[in-house]
Amino acid sequence: GQQLNQSPQSMFIQEGEDVSMNCTSSSIFNTWLWYKQDPGEGPVLLIALYKAGELTSNGRLTAQFGITRKDSFLNISASIPSDVGIYFCAGGLGNTPLVFGKGTRLSVIA
Amino acid sequence: DAGVIQSPRHEVTEMGQEVTLRCKPISGHDYLFWYRQTMMRGLELLIYFNNNVPIDDSGMPEDRFSAKMPNASFSTLKIQPSEPRDSAVYFCASSLNVGGAEAFFGQGTRLTVV
Repeated sequence: GQQLNQSPQSMFIQEGEDVSMNCTSSSIFNTWLWYKQDPGEGPVLLIALYKAGELTSNGRLTAQFGITRKDSFLNISASIPSDVGIYFCAGGLGNTPLVFGKGTRLSVIA
Repeated sequence: DAGVIQSPRHEVTEMGQEVTLRCKPISGHDYLFWYRQTMMRGLELLIYFNNNVPIDDSGMPEDRFSAKMPNASFSTLKIQPSEPRDSAVYFCASSLNVGGAEAFFGQGTRLTVV
C-alpha cells in the first residue's frame, strides 16, 4: 500500500530555533494534512492543504503542498517549549483513508 | 461538539482477558476509524466504518480483534483473548468523508496487557 516517508524521525533543538520537517511519497495525494500529538493525547490537526503548490500559514507554522503532489513540508519558526510533541503528516486521496507518516518527534531545549 | 470521546483512557488487564474499547464519534461524521499506535509501527489503521458498516478491516491483526458499530454514535473494539503484544495506544477517529477531509481523533485508550 501507499507509504509516507517522514523525516527526520526526531529532532532536538534550542528554544527560538526554526524547525523544518518533510514528508515524501512514491504516489500522489490530493490532500496533505499535518497533525501534532502532545504527550498522552490524540493527534490534533494543525494545517490542511488541498491544492498542489499551496502554501498555508497558521501562526508560527507554515506548510506547503508540493507541486508534484508527492511531498509536503512543515516549518515552525521561533520554536517554544510547548512545540514539543510528535508531528505527523497525512496524505489523502479522497476515496481511501488517510495515510500517515511515522512522525517526527520534536524536543525543545529551553 | 465535545469531539471524539473514547473510554476508558487507561486499561490494564491480564493476558487472556477480554478487553473492550469504546468510542463515540463526532455527531454527523459518517466515517469512523480505529487506529493502533506503537513506537515501532507508528499509527496503524485497523478498521474503518462508513454509516455504521465496516468497509475495510484488512488492518485488523488477528481474529482476536473485532469491531462493531451498532449505531451512528457508538463503536467498540474488542480483543479476546488479549496478549501482551496487544499493549499499545488505541485511537478512534471520525471524519465527514474518507480521505479528503480532516480526521478528528479521540484522546486514545492506553492498553497494557500483563
